[in-house]
Amino acid sequence: DGGITQSPKYLFRKEGQNVTLSCEQNLNHDAMYWYRQDPGQGLRLIYYSQIVNDFQKGDIAEGYSVSREKKESFPLTVTSAQKNPTAFYLCASSPHGRRTTLYNEKLFFGSGTQLSVL
Amino acid sequence: KQEVTQIPAALSVPEGENLVLNCSFTDSAIYNLQWFRQDPGKGLTSLLLIQSSQREQTSGRLNASLDKSSGRSTLYIAASQPGDSATYLCAVRPQTSGTYKYIFGTGTRLKVLA
Repeated sequence: DGGITQSPKYLFRKEGQNVTLSCEQNLNHDAMYWYRQDPGQGLRLIYYSQIVNDFQKGDIAEGYSVSREKKESFPLTVTSAQKNPTAFYLCASSPHGRRTTLYNEKLFFGSGTQLSVL
Repeated sequence: KQEVTQIPAALSVPEGENLVLNCSFTDSAIYNLQWFRQDPGKGLTSLLLIQSSQREQTSGRLNASLDKSSGRSTLYIAASQPGDSATYLCAVRPQTSGTYKYIFGTGTRLKVLA
């Protein structure tokens, strides 16, 4: 079955540690996104990628880094510079990234990773 | 700056009721609006997408309407069931050049009582 797989489901970070969240999709989608969800707040965009080897900062990119070396994969690293990393992290994708006439596409989400600080 | 608001934050209804969830946005320059469902501890599932040129979309017991000029959308759920209990979020895609962002509301947490 096609979909987006996020791992791990739960992750704990020690102070000063970098951690990496995995996101893999087999939908053949060009565009991928990372969102952060905090209780009582809407989803906030961290980074997005429209095509392989290209990505842009979202609204809250500080303390995070990403790579897009393969179409299927868009890992997110939460660095020690992110002082408040506890949140639910969601990866999403949509079929086409750079085709500007195709804005009306649904977003598909993974099942999320809950990151907590030890 | 585009802002999306969903009121109420939480709603409880008895099984079988028809109900309406509300979503409002401040800037009418959007490509589309999507409604999502989120179960606790899970990702989001897209329910309906309404393009800016459309007035409504239907899927089964769900009907979403869009009034772009007034900055409002509603999600109508007919004959609610306990399985409809979840958080419902709306999101708009602004017509901002070069951006692929969606702006999300904070959601309405729905509980349907058996």
